[in-house]
Amino acid sequence: DIQMTQSPSSLSASVGDRVTITCQASQDISNFLNWYQQKPGKPPKLLIFDASILETGVTSRFSGSGSGTDFTFTISSLQPEDIATYYCQQYDHLPPFTFGPGTKVDV
Amino acid sequence: QEQLVESGGGLVKPGGSLKLSCNASGFPFKIFYMSWVRQSPGKGLEWVSHISDSGSTSFDADSVRGRFTITRDNSKNSLFLQMNSLRAEDTGIYFCARARPHSGSLPLWNLWGQGTQVIVSS
Repeated sequence: DIQMTQSPSSLSASVGDRVTITCQASQDISNFLNWYQQKPGKPPKLLIFDASILETGVTSRFSGSGSGTDFTFTISSLQPEDIATYYCQQYDHLPPFTFGPGTKVDV
Repeated sequence: QEQLVESGGGLVKPGGSLKLSCNASGFPFKIFYMSWVRQSPGKGLEWVSHISDSGSTSFDADSVRGRFTITRDNSKNSLFLQMNSLRAEDTGIYFCARARPHSGSLPLWNLWGQGTQVIVSS
């Protein structure tokens, strides 16, 4: 199975800061990568798919890049409502569709 | 509006069984692949199972294969997860999820239920 790692596991930043999270796959997954946001007590929310395509209705403060094994998620200017845990997820070919361990973003 | 509502969770002893349901509304359920995803403190988010739009094809995670069965009833806009031989490590919140339109079997899940809690403990 393809394993996903994320770094950092948590971070603290100020409102207005640029925040970057990295995700690494254990093997080449092309651009088959999603990013989700999860707030406490809520289900995950799809933010980005195919590594860089913003889901409909999602703020353009969020962006994604990368291909192969290394990916990046960026919040251009952190807002209070962005406080959440962020997960990457790969979907190369057949299941299982594995998630990274998450990055908790705090202010 | 589009909605998924899970039910059927609860407290069950190791070795026991439970059947989860997910009721869909606000969209043409029968044309979408559907999935179950669980979340536990120890293992994070974990894809469990998914089923084709017709119900003829399904895939399960290794951790549940042979114990869990995913099914659907398109006439009732419902998704199910029959869980047998439950173990402590199956404890968690179980979400049903639907992918973006035209995504087929790809796990681009943009609609989620609120989840139902399953606790496996003696």
